[in-house]
Amino acid sequence: DQQVKQNSPSLSVQEGRISILNCDYTNSMFDYFLWYKKYPAEGPTFLISISSIKDKNEDGRFTVFLNKSAKHLSLHIVPSQPGDSAVYFCAASAQDGGSQGNLIFGKGTKLSVKP
Amino acid sequence: KAGVTQTPRYLIKTRGQQVTLSCSPISGHRSVSWYQQTPGQGLQFLFEYFSETQRNKGNFPGRFSGRQFSNSRSEMNVSTLELGDSALYLCASSSLGQPGETQYFGPGTRLLVL
Repeated sequence: DQQVKQNSPSLSVQEGRISILNCDYTNSMFDYFLWYKKYPAEGPTFLISISSIKDKNEDGRFTVFLNKSAKHLSLHIVPSQPGDSAVYFCAASAQDGGSQGNLIFGKGTKLSVKP
Repeated sequence: KAGVTQTPRYLIKTRGQQVTLSCSPISGHRSVSWYQQTPGQGLQFLFEYFSETQRNKGNFPGRFSGRQFSNSRSEMNVSTLELGDSALYLCASSSLGQPGETQYFGPGTRLLVL
């Protein structure tokens, strides 16, 4: 049973346009969400995060939106650049007696930004 | 600061053998987590160590074990390897492993079991 779902395995976008990557979750105890980017043969690189007390967090070209009632978050990349082409993972965590516990990952969305 | 390092980067083993992977966290980080990435299952949590103690464990068989040393370096061991253990094994570190902290990943060790 997947607690974090990224329903689009791939996404293709033209350079300069907006990329929107979506993520849904089922566990209402999740209170911290992260996006990671992964290039082949490298480990995931942290991009941006959001706490459940917020509905938006922005960092440069990257914005994450959280809709708690819908249990949905999205990552917006504006403008998209060819170097953004990678696999993007959504991850979530819940407080667990004060320890971090583990990150629950979605299966990823492969973004291709075409020049 | 140097990032998370993992050794070896690539490994080939045969069924029934055992393997030990190593992870050095970012300097000052005391929490180390291990993940397995496979094409079918994505990234799955194995276990987390903090101050030499296993604090959390994912849903993996007992063949998967780990430990952490006093300098926060961590090792994971897989015994009696199976073909399905072929995967990318990722290590991540964070300062205290508290909720809301970001985990920083190493490049991974790619294990192939023949």
